[in-house]
Amino acid sequence: NAGVTQTPKFRVLKTGQSMTLLCAQDMNHEYMYWYRQDPGMGLRLIHYSVGEGTTAKGEVPDGYNVSRLKKQNFLLGLESAAPSQTSVYFCASSYTAWNTIYFGEGSWLTVV
Amino acid sequence: EDQVTQSPEALRLQEGESSSLNCSYTVSGLRGLFWYRQDPGKGPEFLFTLYSAGEEKEKERLKATLTKKESFLHITAPKPEDSATYLCAVTLSGGYNKLIFGAGTRLAVHP
Repeated sequence: NAGVTQTPKFRVLKTGQSMTLLCAQDMNHEYMYWYRQDPGMGLRLIHYSVGEGTTAKGEVPDGYNVSRLKKQNFLLGLESAAPSQTSVYFCASSYTAWNTIYFGEGSWLTVV
Repeated sequence: EDQVTQSPEALRLQEGESSSLNCSYTVSGLRGLFWYRQDPGKGPEFLFTLYSAGEEKEKERLKATLTKKESFLHITAPKPEDSATYLCAVTLSGGYNKLIFGAGTRLAVHP
């Protein structure tokens, strides 16, 4: 019963490097989301997808790109990492636009 | 601007000391209000969804209530294992299923 799985769990990047965070869900959910969580600011939506092949911007999309080539996977990319992107990233999914959103365990990213 | 505010930021309780956490919201149109629990180093874990004023949901020592402007998470006779950060979030009517989160309340229950 995996739910939402994120990889990697921890990563340290140098400024300017690129990387991809992978999210996989096994609940056949249509909607998938990427959030970041920073101290004192709550969770903020980066990008989301309403189905395979679709993506859309959330509240804080700058510096990130996403892709949803398969229904079960949602990738978050950082093309040129900046220290301001040091954060905890959470992937989430929901069956429809009105169902409960379920979260993964998080990916800790440090950009030095 | 749509906003969710949680208070207090942190709360320390003795085991068995009941209390309430507050979530106030200012949004254009509420579709639903969610409560999540988050343990250190973990993702948010779903607790409750409330959709209309007057609605209540219970789970073990937790009870969530909703009014037109705020929600309360009541914790009755808490135990140390209830220690966590409790997050409140709202979804808006119309548009996609966007969750707007509050900053959370850090709860510590001491034996």
